[in-house]
Amino acid sequence: DGGITQSPKYLFRKEGQNVTLSCEQNLNHDAMYWYRQDPGQGLRLIYYSQIVNDFQKGDIAEGYSVSREKKESFPLTVTSAQKNPTAFYLCASSMSTGGFGELFFGEGSRLTVL
Amino acid sequence: QQQVKQSPQSLIVQKGGISIINCAYENTAFDYFPWYQQFPGKGPALLIAIRPDVSEKKEGRFTISFNKSAKQFSLHIMDSQPGDSATYFCAASDQDFGNEKLTFGTGTRLTIIP
Repeated sequence: DGGITQSPKYLFRKEGQNVTLSCEQNLNHDAMYWYRQDPGQGLRLIYYSQIVNDFQKGDIAEGYSVSREKKESFPLTVTSAQKNPTAFYLCASSMSTGGFGELFFGEGSRLTVL
Repeated sequence: QQQVKQSPQSLIVQKGGISIINCAYENTAFDYFPWYQQFPGKGPALLIAIRPDVSEKKEGRFTISFNKSAKQFSLHIMDSQPGDSATYFCAASDQDFGNEKLTFGTGTRLTIIP
């Protein structure tokens, strides 16, 4: 089955530690995205990538980093510089960023910083 | 920051009733309005979408109504069922930028009671 796989589903970390969330897709999509979901705030775009080895900041990129070394993979690192990292993180992909392309989401990773 | 305002934050409807969720936007350049449905512990999935060249789009029990002059659009769920209980997000973007500028509403938690 084609889809987006995020891991881990749940993650606990101590304050000050960097954390990397995995996102893999087998849909052969060019574009991939990372969103953060907080209660009452909807989905906010962290980073997106249109092609391999290229990515752009979204609306709330501070304290996060990404890489796109392979078309299938778009890992997100939550760094110690992120002031409020506890959240639900969603990875998504689409055929491209432009036009009216449907976003396909993974099941999310819930990060709790203690 | 461009906004999409969504209401209500939560909604309880009896089985068989009509569920109505409203969204309003500010940017007149928006020309793509999708709705995403999210079940607990899952990522959102595209439910239905509309472009402003039509005032209404219907897919099964789900209908989007669009009022361009008022800059408002709404989701109507007819004959609401317990399986419709989920969080619904409206969103908006424009074709020039597509998903990289997709702005989400804050979400509506819908509960259908027997």
